[in-house]
Amino acid sequence: GENVEQHPSTLSVQEGDSAVIKCTYSDSASNYFPWYKQELGKRPQLIIDIRSNVGEKKDQRIAVTLNKTAKHFSLHITETQPEDSAVYFCAASTPRGGTSYGKLTFGQGTILTVHP
Amino acid sequence: DTAVSQTPKYLVTQMGNDKSIKCEQNLGHDTMYWYKQDSKKFLKIMFSYNNKELIINETVPNRFSPKSPDKAHLNLHINSLELGDSAVYFCASSPFLTSGGLRNEQFFGPGTRLTVL
Repeated sequence: GENVEQHPSTLSVQEGDSAVIKCTYSDSASNYFPWYKQELGKRPQLIIDIRSNVGEKKDQRIAVTLNKTAKHFSLHITETQPEDSAVYFCAASTPRGGTSYGKLTFGQGTILTVHP
Repeated sequence: DTAVSQTPKYLVTQMGNDKSIKCEQNLGHDTMYWYKQDSKKFLKIMFSYNNKELIINETVPNRFSPKSPDKAHLNLHINSLELGDSAVYFCASSPFLTSGGLRNEQFFGPGTRLTVL
């Protein structure tokens, strides 16, 4: 099955700096890559996603890049703010054998802390 | 007005007991999920239902039995609770099951923190 590795497990930055979180996946059939943000004690929420036929996508201060050949994708947050502090999860959606059903496999999560 | 709701929010119980968690979504989605988040924050899918039909069962012990009375509800019943079952359980829903590379945002419920003593 799909395996998603996420690094780093913790990331500490100063307010205004950029933050980068990287993920690799194992199944070349994976075709949809969302990123979820989970604030302390809250539910995970989608912040950005990318499809396998797109190399890069940007939404204000966050961007995601995808390298299908290398099977890795990254989340970039610019001009970080204290409210960006949270756990960030990457995920890969993989069609299950013989079907188009997509199963989401999450990375291990990155705890991002933005210091004021 | 909550999109995905779960009850209860907290559940504290003794080993060996049986308990249930309820989930409801009012988004009109076809697909619902149960996830387990352990103490290290790892999110792992347990089950997926599409229009009341079980689609994904990720080798979860058969002490866990999901039930979907209709496509807006997915409940989780756990028999003979063990210490290792302590975790936060999230229900989620998405518009459809097939990925096809399309956006298929999963909306999560607030979670149920289960503590087994």
